Amino acid sequence: GENVEQHPSTLSVQEGDSAVIKCTYSDSASNYFPWYKQELGKRPQLIIDIRSNVGEKKDQRIAVTLNKTAKHFSLHITETQPEDSAVYFCAASGPRPGSARQLTFGSGTQLTVLP
Amino acid sequence: DTEVTQTPKHLVMGMTNKKSLKCEQHMGHRAMYWYKQKAKKPPELMFVYSYEKLSINESVPSRFSPECPNSSLLNLHLHALQPEDSALYLCASSQSNTGRANHEQYFGPGTRLTVT
Repeated sequence: GENVEQHPSTLSVQEGDSAVIKCTYSDSASNYFPWYKQELGKRPQLIIDIRSNVGEKKDQRIAVTLNKTAKHFSLHITETQPEDSAVYFCAASGPRPGSARQLTFGSGTQLTVLP
Repeated sequence: DTEVTQTPKHLVMGMTNKKSLKCEQHMGHRAMYWYKQKAKKPPELMFVYSYEKLSINESVPSRFSPECPNSSLLNLHLHALQPEDSALYLCASSQSNTGRANHEQYFGPGTRLTVT
């Protein structure tokens, strides 16, 4: 099955700096890669996703890049703000023979933005 | 309506109790999911329903029993739970999880379950 590894597990940055979180996946059939942000006590919230037919996607201060050859994808947050502090999870999904699609999550990154 | 709702928000139950968690969505989604999440860990998939049929059971103990009465509702029936089952139980939905396209998965707020 799919295996997703996520690094780093914790990340502290100064307000205004950039933050980068990296994930690798094992199954070359995976073709959908969402990122979720989870604040303490809240639900995971989809913040951006990318499909395997593109290499990069941006939404304001957030961007995701995908390298299919190397099987890794990254989340980039620019001009970080204290409200960006949360746990971020990457995930991967793709067609599975004889089975419905499911997300495989990375282990999460605790991002702390210091004022 | 672009939201997945879950009730109750919090639940405390003894090991001999029977209780149910409820999940509802009105986005016309045909795939619904139950996840269990422990503190500082990613969501762990328990069950997947696709077009109201159970399509994935990730070897979950029988003390957890899912039910999908219709395309908008998903229940999780709990019986004879153990203290280690205490966790945040998340429901999610997506437009579909079969066919060629991948669809975004949206989570409900979760039920914080404590088993005493």
